[in-house]
Amino acid sequence: EAGVVQSPRYKIIEKKQPVAFWCNPISGHNTLYWYLQNLGQGPELLIRYENEEAVDDSQLPKDRFSAERLKGVDSTLKIQPAELGDSAVYLCASSLGGLTGELFFGEGSRLTVL
Amino acid sequence: SQQGEEDPQALSIQEGENATMNCSYKTSINNLQWYRQNSGRGLVHLILIRSNEREKHSGRLRVTLDTSKKSSSLLITASRAADTASYFCALILTGNQFYFGTGTSLTVIP
Repeated sequence: EAGVVQSPRYKIIEKKQPVAFWCNPISGHNTLYWYLQNLGQGPELLIRYENEEAVDDSQLPKDRFSAERLKGVDSTLKIQPAELGDSAVYLCASSLGGLTGELFFGEGSRLTVL
Repeated sequence: SQQGEEDPQALSIQEGENATMNCSYKTSINNLQWYRQNSGRGLVHLILIRSNEREKHSGRLRVTLDTSKKSSSLLITASRAADTASYFCALILTGNQFYFGTGTSLTVIP
């Protein structure tokens, strides 16, 4: 069975440009997470979905970041416009949910903003 | 924001030695998990310990949890070069809330 799939793996853009990341979770996983990971740091939660509903987006910088999970499956995270400080790895994870469920992570999308 | 803090930030040991890393936190948790991340890859789940458990074993991994001190430790015994990676504790709060620690970078020298 395929794991969590993310694309693109790498993206280099100029500041003020838009960028979008895509995530396909493991089939049947209702809970989907987007994390941001800076170099040498742990993942920081951006947004969590239960099916198609964003249940925790308190850490998402809504002035420039947006996310959607149409039909409760795939998800897209967008940044518009990108700033230099957005350079990081954007990780997607999915889970069956429940307090003892584990997260399954994709390989991440590494963003470099010049 | 990071909910857990790990120490040491970096650890370098010889192959065959044991590696211990610690996670401290401030909030109440339902359970705690440990994850591993190889360079340039996603995180991979290692082990789960519930809040009512004190110790858990899985192969060469041993995890302890002290909820009164709000701390956990991960011990890797008889380390191998392939154990070189970053290790993160994950605090699981209510409602599928996962928050990760700052991580320990482990280097195992062959």
